[in-house]
Amino acid sequence: AQKVTQAQTEISVVEKEDVTLDCVYETRDTTYYLFWYKQPPSGELVFLIRRNSFDEQNEISGRYSWNFQKSTSSFNFTITASQVVDSAVYFCALEYSGGGADGLTFGKGTHLIIQP
Amino acid sequence: DAGITQSPRYKITETGRQVTLMCHQTWSHSYMFWYRQDLGHGLRLIYYSAAADITDKGEVPDGYVVSRSKTENFPLTLESATRSQTSVYFCASSETGYGTEAFFGQGTRLTVV
Repeated sequence: AQKVTQAQTEISVVEKEDVTLDCVYETRDTTYYLFWYKQPPSGELVFLIRRNSFDEQNEISGRYSWNFQKSTSSFNFTITASQVVDSAVYFCALEYSGGGADGLTFGKGTHLIIQP
Repeated sequence: DAGITQSPRYKITETGRQVTLMCHQTWSHSYMFWYRQDLGHGLRLIYYSAAADITDKGEVPDGYVVSRSKTENFPLTLESATRSQTSVYFCASSETGYGTEAFFGQGTRLTVV
């Protein structure tokens, strides 16, 4: 069975601080994908990044960076110099090959609050 | 407009009534999904479809029925709504169903009273 754990239910920081959102996953598959989605207060889900299990290279996109470590089954997300617009619920998700499309297994989400 | 749209955005229904949530996508994506979002649970998969006339259960399918007669539409029906089905429902589509970005609709907030 697959499982995604986002242990941080809510994080509150002051604007311009750096913040890291943790994601730990469990799967028996060796082939899988990991995702991060953002859900702003308006409610829609916005795709942020996809990473396959064979690519452990970290990625940076502007103020966002992701650290994928298979050894610890983690796929953490860091926002540098946070801004109020970063306030949202962030979901980590796992998709495994499993012989077919079984959809995404989501973590419970981390509510990030950026205070001005 | 291109994209994935859900209707209605908000719905209040009574216990025991049948209600159908609509989902329409314009990309001709093969795969479509229904998730429900509940506080403390994140999003959980209800049903998915790999193509027209091909559907399969997800993690929480009980009390729901889906159909997919056309590639672009994937309605979700609650045959006899219960209060536990009060939730926000998201429809999504993806090109290949595995390893590709899923595009989500705006969500339908359903309240069962």
